[in-house]
Amino acid sequence: AQSVTQLGSHVSVSEGALVLLRCNYSSSVPPYLFWYVQYPNQGLQLLLKYTTGATLVKGINGFEAEFKKSETSFHLTKPSAHMSDAAEYFCAVSRGGSYIPTFGRGTSLIVHP
Amino acid sequence: DSGVTQTPKHLITATGQRVTLRCSPRSGDLSVYWYQQSLDQGLQFLIQYYNGEERAKGNILERFSAQQFPDLHSELNLSSLELGDSALYFCASSLRDTNYNEQFFGPGTRLTVL
Repeated sequence: AQSVTQLGSHVSVSEGALVLLRCNYSSSVPPYLFWYVQYPNQGLQLLLKYTTGATLVKGINGFEAEFKKSETSFHLTKPSAHMSDAAEYFCAVSRGGSYIPTFGRGTSLIVHP
Repeated sequence: DSGVTQTPKHLITATGQRVTLRCSPRSGDLSVYWYQQSLDQGLQFLIQYYNGEERAKGNILERFSAQQFPDLHSELNLSSLELGDSALYFCASSLRDTNYNEQFFGPGTRLTVL
């Protein structure tokens, strides 16, 4: 079974600072990887996804993530945090014949002025 | 706006009662997923339907059931409700049931069981 680990249930950064949200997965075959964001009182929306090809994936709102197979990681980064980035971020993985992604527990990003 | 609609937005009911949550997927999407989100369990997959047929089951209790109708809207039925069923229930849809398709989430139904 696949699993997803998001290190840190809360990450706090200052406005303008680098954002790094960590995601590690376990999968015996190449996975499909996703990052979703959930703003307060809203559903999840896709930030970016990796399926095949280039391992550095660019998403919306200036976020990007890099698939590192050797490290089984898919960390999410943004060079400069904005107050509007404060939200819950979920990493998800699906693979093989499973159409259902497995979601991590989520990381709450707090942005200080 | 994801294009996925869910009703009602909020639902308050008592233990032992039965409720129905409704979801309309994005136009053209054939697959519907139901999730439960709570503080202690995180986001838990409940069940998936594809073009009217049940495709996958997750951690769905026997007290819960769902269906997808010919017009592709879906309903999640929760019965004999317990306090622990209080949670946010999300519906999501995708074009097909492939594992590389992103899911589009609705705004959720917040269920409170008193």
